[in-house]
Amino acid sequence: GENVEQHPSTLSVQEGDSAVIKCTYSDSASNYFPWYKQELGKGPQLIIDIRSNVGEKKDQRIAVTLNKTAKHFSLHITETQPEDSAVYFCAALYNYGQNFVFGPGTRLSVLP
Amino acid sequence: ETGVTQSPTHLIKTRGQQVTLRCSSQSGHNTVSWYQQALGQGPQFIFQYYREEENGRGNFPPRFSGLQFPNYSSELNVNALELDDSALYLCASSGVAGGPYNEQFFGPGTRLTVL
Repeated sequence: GENVEQHPSTLSVQEGDSAVIKCTYSDSASNYFPWYKQELGKGPQLIIDIRSNVGEKKDQRIAVTLNKTAKHFSLHITETQPEDSAVYFCAALYNYGQNFVFGPGTRLSVLP
Repeated sequence: ETGVTQSPTHLIKTRGQQVTLRCSSQSGHNTVSWYQQALGQGPQFIFQYYREEENGRGNFPPRFSGLQFPNYSSELNVNALELDDSALYLCASSGVAGGPYNEQFFGPGTRLTVL
């Protein structure tokens, strides 16, 4: 069935270091992959996304890479700041836009 | 531009009761999706509504039902509540359904506790 795996489940980095979160998906028909940041008590916030026709997308300190052959995609955060601390979810779009399947989340802690 | 809003913020019910959660979509969006997020897990897709019709459903029983209104706002109804229904219920709105590239924007969620 449709599945998204995400690693690691927790990640601690020093302020200023980089953080990388990796996801794999099961359905080769998936073609849209968003990343969400969820802070305590709030709904998920879309931070970056990538479509299957590109291999990499960057937005300031955040980048996402996609390897469709391997069915992997990754989130890269550079120069991390304490306010980057949150739970991050990857997702893959299935069924031609009807629903997203989310990964289990990564709790990122940026230590000052 | 108005974001996605949900009400109520928190709700406590007892097992066997029924509950209705509400969502107002982001301005200009005509599609609403509902998700259940258990503590420490990623959101799980319940169903999606487009132009007042159900447009896809996840692996949830029929006691989870929904509605979408002409102004694109939506309701999630859950009958015969069970303890495992305790979760954060998220509503997400997006643009035109059917295409593969819908960005979904989430509301803050409704925290449901079933005792």
